Amino acid sequence: KQEVTQIPAALSVPEGENLVLNCSFTDSAIYNLQWFRQDPGKGLTSLLLIQSSQREQTSGRLNASLDKSSGRSTLYIAASQPGDSATYLCAVNTNAGKSTFGDGTTLTVKP
Amino acid sequence: GAVVSQHPSRVICKSGTSVKIECRSLDFQATTMFWYRQFPKQSLMLMATSNEGSKATYEQGVEKDKFLINHASLTLSTLTVTSAHPEDSSFYICSAVAPGQGGPFGTQYFGPGTRLTVL
Repeated sequence: KQEVTQIPAALSVPEGENLVLNCSFTDSAIYNLQWFRQDPGKGLTSLLLIQSSQREQTSGRLNASLDKSSGRSTLYIAASQPGDSATYLCAVNTNAGKSTFGDGTTLTVKP
Repeated sequence: GAVVSQHPSRVICKSGTSVKIECRSLDFQATTMFWYRQFPKQSLMLMATSNEGSKATYEQGVEKDKFLINHASLTLSTLTVTSAHPEDSSFYICSAVAPGQGGPFGTQYFGPGTRLTVL
């Protein structure tokens, strides 16, 4: 059974800092991995999708990497802003179409 | 990008009543949709896989008679919470798989969620 762990559970940083969120998974037979943002009481916003054959994806200040063999992904956020404050979820998808989510990292960026 | 909608966005009901939640893929056809549940301060847990024209597949521990899923068309799946109780209060999120993007199961697009509160 796939298990997804996200570290840290919570993170508080001053504005402008670069930061890294970690995601690890136990079963390397994944189809792709997706990073989401969730604001309190809201749905999911997809940030980046990495296929199993890819190493990284970039979108603006965000960069996600994937090391399938070691079961790890990182989400790098450059020059953090208060508007980046949210919970970041990592989801691992199998080729059967199912997603297993981590518990998330709650990020607070202080002005 | 692809859009998935959910209706209603928020519902409050009395204990014992049934509540129907709709999930629609607005600009693509989805043969597969998924239903997730999220309790406060917890992550999303997959409840069931909804397949168009066939019975839903439920995850272990999810009561199929309590959470009725109907995927009657390629753009609509419904989740009915029957005889709802306060412990069913949760955030329910659906996703739809857009075919032809990234492989056989494509990319999942998530709806905005439905907040269910059972009094």
